[in-house]
Amino acid sequence: GQQLNQSPQSMFIQEGEDVSMNCTSSSIFNTWLWYKQDPGEGPVLLIALYKAGELTSNGRLTAQFGITRKDSFLNISASIPSDVGIYFCAGHLGNQFYFGTGTSLTVIP
Amino acid sequence: NAGVTQTPKFRILKIGQSMTLQCTQDMNHNYMYWYRQDPGMGLKLIYYSVGAGITDKGEVLNGYNVSRSTTEDFPLRLELAAPSQTSVYFCASRLEGLYGYTFGSGTRLTVV
Repeated sequence: GQQLNQSPQSMFIQEGEDVSMNCTSSSIFNTWLWYKQDPGEGPVLLIALYKAGELTSNGRLTAQFGITRKDSFLNISASIPSDVGIYFCAGHLGNQFYFGTGTSLTVIP
Repeated sequence: NAGVTQTPKFRILKIGQSMTLQCTQDMNHNYMYWYRQDPGMGLKLIYYSVGAGITDKGEVLNGYNVSRSTTEDFPLRLELAAPSQTSVYFCASRLEGLYGYTFGSGTRLTVV
């Protein structure tokens, strides 16, 4: 299957700090998605990216579709305690989405 | 709307037992998916369906089966459960042409 590598694996940050994470693949994807998963719940869609170079924001979240179409980036500004969770990237190919291994975010108040 | 509903939320199975994980969606989505999530890993696709009567395998091979007799329901069957099937299982759906999945809240399965 497709391999999507997310980094970092985990982050511990102070409330108010900005966060950056990325996702890379050996394959070219047509669509990139970013999801957040709270403990005991299914992932929830944060941002969808459809075009290389696209930069899209959703509140304090900003994501970019890399120009090579093999990577994507997610930034969270001014983190708050409720940002805690696992963030997954997903790339679309054919009829399937392939998910990254996740970045676990802990925000220290 | 209820969205994607999965039952049960938790289950413990003995090796060799069988069970069906239920998934129902009320959004009239034509695409449905089953994923498993292991600790520290991303979601791995087990099966998907692009519409009633059509199913296809994903990356995870063996030990599972699905059916899609209606648009709403996409049950996942485990025959002869093995410890390697201990995982959290997520069902998801989406509408053709839209890429955002709606996920259920998961079924945590332990095989002992």
